[in-house]
Amino acid sequence: QQQVKQSPQSLIVQKGGISIINCAYENTAFDYFPWYQQFPGKGPALLIAIRPDVSEKKEGRFTISFNKSAKQFSLHIMDSQPGDSATYFCAASPRYNFNKFYFGSGTKLNVKP
Amino acid sequence: DGGITQSPKYLFRKEGQNVTLSCEQNLNHDAMYWYRQDPGQGLRLIYYSQIVNDFQKGDIAEGYSVSREKKESFPLTVTSAQKNPTAFYLCASSLPGGNENQPQHFGDGTRLSIL
Repeated sequence: QQQVKQSPQSLIVQKGGISIINCAYENTAFDYFPWYQQFPGKGPALLIAIRPDVSEKKEGRFTISFNKSAKQFSLHIMDSQPGDSATYFCAASPRYNFNKFYFGSGTKLNVKP
Repeated sequence: DGGITQSPKYLFRKEGQNVTLSCEQNLNHDAMYWYRQDPGQGLRLIYYSQIVNDFQKGDIAEGYSVSREKKESFPLTVTSAQKNPTAFYLCASSLPGGNENQPQHFGDGTRLSIL
């Protein structure tokens, strides 16, 4: 049973467009929600993270929106660029085990020039 | 430069053979992790260690073993009991959680294939 459900599995966006990736969870003990970016043949790299006490966090072109009541969070990439083409993973970590992370299944983003 | 080094980048295993994947970090992180990545399934936790000489099973530990004799090293052995070992293996590390979650830092992975 997957604890964090991610959609879509793949996404094609035109250069300059907005990419939106969604994640949902059920475990209310989750307390920390990072997003990772992974290029082919490389390990994931932390992109941006949010805690449930805020509804939005923005870093450059990347924004996380968090809806605690709906148990959903999403990544928005504004002005998407071909260099953003990668696989994106959402994750969640519970407050009772800060070292354990549950990952979504990933979204492969392709930004067309 | 601080980081996580995984070796080798590619590894081939014969049927019935054990193989060991190396993971070394110089970030002075206490916690280390091993994940398996399969297409369309995201990352699944194999083992993790929060401190030297201690480790816990993750969600898919069967057929794998680990050791944590040094803070900077967390090798993973894929045993012959693991019937479907072909995958991309990722090692990660993080500061101890304490009272706050800490992000994980990943190596560049080892791709294991069966001959």
